[in-house]
Amino acid sequence: QQQVKQSPQSLIVQKGGISIINCAYENTAFDYFPWYQQFPGKGPALLIAIRPDVSEKKEGRFTISFNKSAKQFSLHIMDSQPGDSATYFCAASIRYNFNKFYFGSGTKLNVKP
Amino acid sequence: KAGVTQTPRYLIKTRGQQVTLSCSPISGHRSVSWYQQTPGQGLQFLFEYFSETQRNKGNFPGRFSGRQFSNSRSEMNVSTLELGDSALYLCASSTGQANSYEQYFGPGTRLTVT
Repeated sequence: QQQVKQSPQSLIVQKGGISIINCAYENTAFDYFPWYQQFPGKGPALLIAIRPDVSEKKEGRFTISFNKSAKQFSLHIMDSQPGDSATYFCAASIRYNFNKFYFGSGTKLNVKP
Repeated sequence: KAGVTQTPRYLIKTRGQQVTLSCSPISGHRSVSWYQQTPGQGLQFLFEYFSETQRNKGNFPGRFSGRQFSNSRSEMNVSTLELGDSALYLCASSTGQANSYEQYFGPGTRLTVT
């Protein structure tokens, strides 16, 4: 059973546009929701993360929106650039489960120049 | 600060063999987690070590094992390799402390089983 469901599987966006990736979860015990960016041949890099006590977190062009009642969270990439082309993973974890992260299936983003 | 390092970066093994992968966490980090990444199953948690003790484990067979040394370096071992074990194996480093959630991944070891 997949604990975190991610969509879409792939996404094509024009340069300067907004990229939106969505994730949904079932386990209400999750209390940490990070997003990772992975380039080919590299390990995932922590991009931004949110805790369930806030509804939005922004870092530069990247924003996480969190809807606790709907058990959904999303990543918004503003002013998308070709350099943002990568695979993005959402994840969730439970504090007392010590770093056991459940990952979404990934979204391959292609930003066209 | 140096990042997470993993060695070797690439490995080719034959079915039935065993393999050992190594991970050195970020200096000062005491927790190392291991993940398997495949196109079909995505990123799956294998186990986590903190202060030389396994604190958590995922749903993998006993052929997958690990250990952590006093300097926080960790090794992962896979015995009796199967074709399905071909994957990118990632380790992630964190402080391991309560309320410190950030995990930082290494570049991974690409294992190919033939």
